[in-house]
Amino acid sequence: EADIYQTPRYLVIGTGKKITLECSQTMGHDKMYWYQQDPGMELHLIHYSYGVNSTEKGDLSSESTVSRIRTEHFPLTLESARPSHTSQYLCASSNQGGSSYNEQFFGPGTRLTVL
Amino acid sequence: GENVEQHPSTLSVQEGDSAVIKCTYSDSASNYFPWYKQELGKGPQLIIDIRSNVGEKKDQRIAVTLNKTAKHFSLHITETQPEDSAVYFCAASLTGGFKTIFGAGTRLFVKA
Repeated sequence: EADIYQTPRYLVIGTGKKITLECSQTMGHDKMYWYQQDPGMELHLIHYSYGVNSTEKGDLSSESTVSRIRTEHFPLTLESARPSHTSQYLCASSNQGGSSYNEQFFGPGTRLTVL
Repeated sequence: GENVEQHPSTLSVQEGDSAVIKCTYSDSASNYFPWYKQELGKGPQLIIDIRSNVGEKKDQRIAVTLNKTAKHFSLHITETQPEDSAVYFCAASLTGGFKTIFGAGTRLFVKA
């Protein structure tokens, strides 16, 4: 079992609310990622981080923001939720290093519904 | 840009039959090819991986093959069981690199 946790697991919220999805890992991994997953399965990278104080936007444009103040914590924030943000959000982490292979460890996901 | 194509998107097999999922990658520098299984309500989990210096790897009922020349790699599941029903993702990445490129996923149904 991977030691990566996401809360909440399910969230139903009204339009315009600010929300933060939490992600924590206890493996000491430098790299962390946020993916948005379609109902049709596909994974879209929306944010990533190389380490503390490093954040980058992924391939899919997202109105969310992230922060990385501590190695183990990588929260995702939506300042004003909209129905188009309804989706499954997956957090992942992996080791960084010249010879390391990029096995990613995924959290269980947060299913967000914006009404 | 780099991409990984995965086929089929849906696969239905009878229990006990074999299942094969195929992927093609575009970046010839890729040297690590993991396969993930995602069960309902859970995040993807690594089930097997292969590195570019190996052509085939087997772990009990699952095996992966890699053809570097053709930039193809495949997942083979033999003697399928209902608990193999899940979504499977192939992926490609580079040692020490950052990005992992995922395929679009295959939904496997194993009928009892």
